Amino acid sequence: QQQVKQSPQSLIVQKGGISIINCAYENTAFDYFPWYQQFPGKGPALLIAIRPDVSEKKEGRFTISFNKSAKQFSLHIMDSQPGDSATYFCAASKETSGSRLTFGEGTQLTVNP
Amino acid sequence: DGGITQSPKYLFRKEGQNVTLSCEQNLNHDAMYWYRQDPGQGLRLIYYSQIVNDFQKGDIAEGYSVSREKKESFPLTVTSAQKNPTAFYLCASSQGSREAFFGPGTRLTVL
Repeated sequence: QQQVKQSPQSLIVQKGGISIINCAYENTAFDYFPWYQQFPGKGPALLIAIRPDVSEKKEGRFTISFNKSAKQFSLHIMDSQPGDSATYFCAASKETSGSRLTFGEGTQLTVNP
Repeated sequence: DGGITQSPKYLFRKEGQNVTLSCEQNLNHDAMYWYRQDPGQGLRLIYYSQIVNDFQKGDIAEGYSVSREKKESFPLTVTSAQKNPTAFYLCASSQGSREAFFGPGTRLTVL
């Protein structure tokens, strides 16, 4: 049972464009929603995270939008750069599970120069 | 520098062999995790440990074993019972907050 579904599987964007990756979750007990960035052959690194008491969080060019009623959240990358080309994973966890994360399937982002 | 180290970076295993992947952290984190990554499937939790001398099965524990004898170390053994072990294995740790810090990974290939 896939508790966190992510789309699209791959995304190609031109430099300067907006990249949008979407995730949907099923378990209403989830209360922490991070996004991880992973470069080839490396471990994932935390990019930005949100809790359900806010609808949006912005850090630099990266924004998470959160819709609690729809059980959806998305990552927006503004002014996308070739250096943003990586695989992005959404994830979710609940307070009782600490940092045991349930991951989405991942989105491979390519930003063309 | 604080962080998580995993070794080896690449590992080759013959069928029927057990192999052990190393994970060490100097972040003084209580909790450690092992995830498996396959193309197009995201990361799946194998085992986790919230404190020394205690560990719990994750979603895909069959064919794997772990130990947690020291706070900084959480080795993973891939046994011959794991039918499809070829994958990228990631170790992570956390303390207090929900943020998990990941190591650089070990790529295991069965020959």
